[in-house]
Amino acid sequence: EAGVTQFPSHSVIEKGQTVTLRCDPISGHDNLYWYRRVMGKEIKFLLHFVKESKQDESGMPNNRFLAERTGGTYSTLKVQPAELEDSGVYFCASSQEYRPSGGASRDTQYFGPGTRLTVL
Amino acid sequence: QKEVEQDPGPLSVPEGAIVSLNCTYSNSAFQYFMWYRQYSRKGPELLMYTYSSGNKEDGRFTAQVDKSSKYISLFIRDSQPSDSATYLCALSSGSARQLTFGSGTQLTVLP
Repeated sequence: EAGVTQFPSHSVIEKGQTVTLRCDPISGHDNLYWYRRVMGKEIKFLLHFVKESKQDESGMPNNRFLAERTGGTYSTLKVQPAELEDSGVYFCASSQEYRPSGGASRDTQYFGPGTRLTVL
Repeated sequence: QKEVEQDPGPLSVPEGAIVSLNCTYSNSAFQYFMWYRQYSRKGPELLMYTYSSGNKEDGRFTAQVDKSSKYISLFIRDSQPSDSATYLCALSSGSARQLTFGSGTQLTVLP
């Protein structure tokens, strides 16, 4: 079974440009998460999709970031326009099922290798 | 104040040593406690998963959670050079919820 894949692995852009990151979750995983690690800081949550719906976008830093998950499969994260402080590693993770009641499901989040974004 | 505090290290030990990694947290809503291992240029990989307080053992790895002290630990016995990586604690308040990470501890096991 293929793991979570992300594209590109590395992107270097200039301030003011637009970049789109892509994540392909594990097949059949309803949950898709985006996280980010900026230099010297911990990995921080950005948002959570359940299928094609945004369940929680409380971590999105500002309206320059736009995430989509068309058809509940792959997801894109667009940064427009990019700023210097957006540099970092963007991770995508997926997990199997969503239980609104909380339940006892083991919601293991499987992470992709990350996209390293450098804004010059 | 960060929600999760983790000593960033770096930590360097000889092969065969017992390694102790720790995190403290402030939010009592956390119910799920995880340890992830991250090799250079790779994504985090789940190592241990614990729900609520107690101990969990898996091979050379033991995870401990003390909710009363808001303190979690990962012990690695008979450490190997292949254990050299960054270890991240991650906490969640519920199933299928966002993870809150510590900053990670960089571990090097010397042959």
